[in-house]
Amino acid sequence: EAQVTQNPRYLITVTGKKLTVTCSQNMNHEYMSWYRQDPGLGLRQIYYSMNVEVTDKGDVPEGYKVSRKEKRNFPLILESPSPNQTSLYFCASSPLRGSYEQYFGPGTRLTVT
Amino acid sequence: QKEVEQNSGPLSVPEGAIASLNCTYSDRGSQSFFWYRQYSGKSPELIMSIYSNGDKEDGRFTAQLNKASQYVSLLIRDSQPSDSATYLCAVNPSNYQLIWGAGTKLIIKP
Repeated sequence: EAQVTQNPRYLITVTGKKLTVTCSQNMNHEYMSWYRQDPGLGLRQIYYSMNVEVTDKGDVPEGYKVSRKEKRNFPLILESPSPNQTSLYFCASSPLRGSYEQYFGPGTRLTVT
Repeated sequence: QKEVEQNSGPLSVPEGAIASLNCTYSDRGSQSFFWYRQYSGKSPELIMSIYSNGDKEDGRFTAQLNKASQYVSLLIRDSQPSDSATYLCAVNPSNYQLIWGAGTKLIIKP
């Protein structure tokens, strides 16, 4: 089954404790992206990647890191989480050629206390 | 700043009626347009894409695009309670990113 997976689905952590949210897709998509979604603000892009070893900042990159060492994986790293990073996070992927439709993972609800 | 605007709603529509959702965008060079549906706490799922002016129909859904006026709309015929969700409009400008609207909450009343 073609899908985007994320782990963990739910995470409660404390300020300053480094964490990683994994994202993997099995559709051989070139493009992958991370979003956060907050009430009233819609989807805001954090980082995106157009291929292996190619990443770029989205609209709200502060406090986040990403890497793209393999085509299928695009982990999101929070080196020192803060309460304002409490949010619902989505990973998405897209086949760049001919279409920019994005396919989303199930989401990760992160709470930072 | 490239923007996509949607009325946040909620838009309340009786069951069986037509729901009309609208979206305007600022980048005149935009090429691709998408409607996603998002149930509360779930991930967005693609329901329609449209690339050229005019109407595109898929079952009970019709997407309408008017590039001259820079708007795209989604019509849902014979609305069902299961259509109650937030509908997100996304626009692809000249680069590889999608610009997202904040979404319109649709409520179908039985």
